Amino acid sequence: GEDVEQSLFLSVREGDSSVINCTYTDSSSTYLYWYKQEPGAGLQLLTYIFSNMDMKQDQRLTVLLNKKDKHLSLRIADTQTGDSAIYFCAERGYNQGGKLIFGQGTELSVKP
Amino acid sequence: EPEVTQTPSHQVTQMGQEVILRCVPISNHLYFYWYRQILGQKVEFLVSFYNNEISEKSEIFDDQFSVERPDGSNFTLKIRSTKLEDSAMYFCASSPDYLTVYTFGSGTRLTVV
Repeated sequence: GEDVEQSLFLSVREGDSSVINCTYTDSSSTYLYWYKQEPGAGLQLLTYIFSNMDMKQDQRLTVLLNKKDKHLSLRIADTQTGDSAIYFCAERGYNQGGKLIFGQGTELSVKP
Repeated sequence: EPEVTQTPSHQVTQMGQEVILRCVPISNHLYFYWYRQILGQKVEFLVSFYNNEISEKSEIFDDQFSVERPDGSNFTLKIRSTKLEDSAMYFCASSPDYLTVYTFGSGTRLTVV
C-alpha cells in the first residue's frame, strides 16, 4: 500500500531554521499536507501544496516539493519555542477516495 | 472560522462495552471521515462517508465499528464491544468536496480499561 515516511526527531535552537523532511510512495498524489500536533491536542493544518507546484511560502513556512523524488519538506524560519510539537506529513492520492495517508510524525524540539 | 466539534473529549470505558463517539461536522460539508491515533503512532484512516453511506473503509474498520449520520448534523462512530487495543485518540474530519483540504476536530481520547 501507499506509505509516507518521516524522521522521528529534530532538535534546533531558537531562532534557527528547522527543516522537516518527508518521503512518500504514491505517484498519484494530488495534495500534500503538513499538520501540527501539540501535546494532547488535535491536528492543526499548517499548510498544503498541490502536486503541480514546487514551492509554497506562507509567512515563516516554506514547503518544497520534489515530485520526481517524491520528497516533501517543511522549513520553519526563525523557529520559536512555541513551534515545539509533532509535525505530520500527509498525502492524498487521486485514487484514494479522499483519505489521507500520514507519516509517523517528526517531534520538533526547540531549545532556548 | 467554522469548526468540527467532537464530544466527549475523553471517554473511559470498560472492555466489552459499547461506545459512541460523536462529531458535528461543518454544516455545508458533504464528506466525513474518522481517523484514529494510537499513542505514539501514526494517524490512521478508518472510514469515509458520503451521501449517507460508507465510501471507503480500512482493514481496521471491522464489524465492531459502524458509522451513522442520524439527524443531518451529527456523525457518529460506534464501537460495539471495545477491546484494550481500541484505546486511542479518534479524530473526525469533514470536507466540502472530494479534493478540498478538510478540517479535523480536536479528537476524543478513548481509554479502554
